[in-house]
Amino acid sequence: GDSVTQMEGPVTLSEEAFLTINCTYTATGYPSLFWYVQYPGEGLQLLLKATKADDKGSNKGFEATYRKETTSFHLEKGSVQVSDSAVYFCALRELVNQGGKLIFGQGTELSVKP
Amino acid sequence: NAGVMQNPRHLVRRRGQEARLRCSPMKGHSHVYWYRQLPEEGLKFMVYLQKENIIDESGMPKERFSAEFPKEGPSILRIQQVVRGDSAAYFCASSPPSGRGNEQFFGPGTRLTVL
Repeated sequence: GDSVTQMEGPVTLSEEAFLTINCTYTATGYPSLFWYVQYPGEGLQLLLKATKADDKGSNKGFEATYRKETTSFHLEKGSVQVSDSAVYFCALRELVNQGGKLIFGQGTELSVKP
Repeated sequence: NAGVMQNPRHLVRRRGQEARLRCSPMKGHSHVYWYRQLPEEGLKFMVYLQKENIIDESGMPKERFSAEFPKEGPSILRIQQVVRGDSAAYFCASSPPSGRGNEQFFGPGTRLTVL
């Protein structure tokens, strides 16, 4: 079945460092890809998305490109801030009945130190 | 437009009791999803519902768990005869039926603790 694999955390960076969180997926069809962020004690918020190959999603300085040839959707940010400390989830979704479940990776905890 | 509402935010039950979790989707959203997050783990899909219909329940445990999304009122996730292993955060998400890129909006979650 479909699955998502993320790099293990925790990832600890200094403020203004470059961030990469790797994400690869396995899917039978042509899924949409998502990055969600979860702050402590809260629900998930959509960070960015891409719905087809070569699409680039971007938001708040974060970027990820849908790479069909490598089945990847790596998250990057050029300069992280302390406020970016959170858990990041990569996810895919196959469209079913105009909806469809999200399949999540295990999450990567990011800690940014001042 | 209020976001996805879940209540209660925290629920404590003793083993053998019933837990009832409620989710009110965003206005105009007809699709509801339930996910479970066990401690130190990612989110796992449980069930996908549209009004009065279960579309996909492939992630629901075979026994003790049920879900509904009636024509009127919130979606309910019901856990009968809870056990300690049911302790987790349960998240509801809703979305409009608009295609490949439609976002699922998540509620704040219900944290269930089974004593």
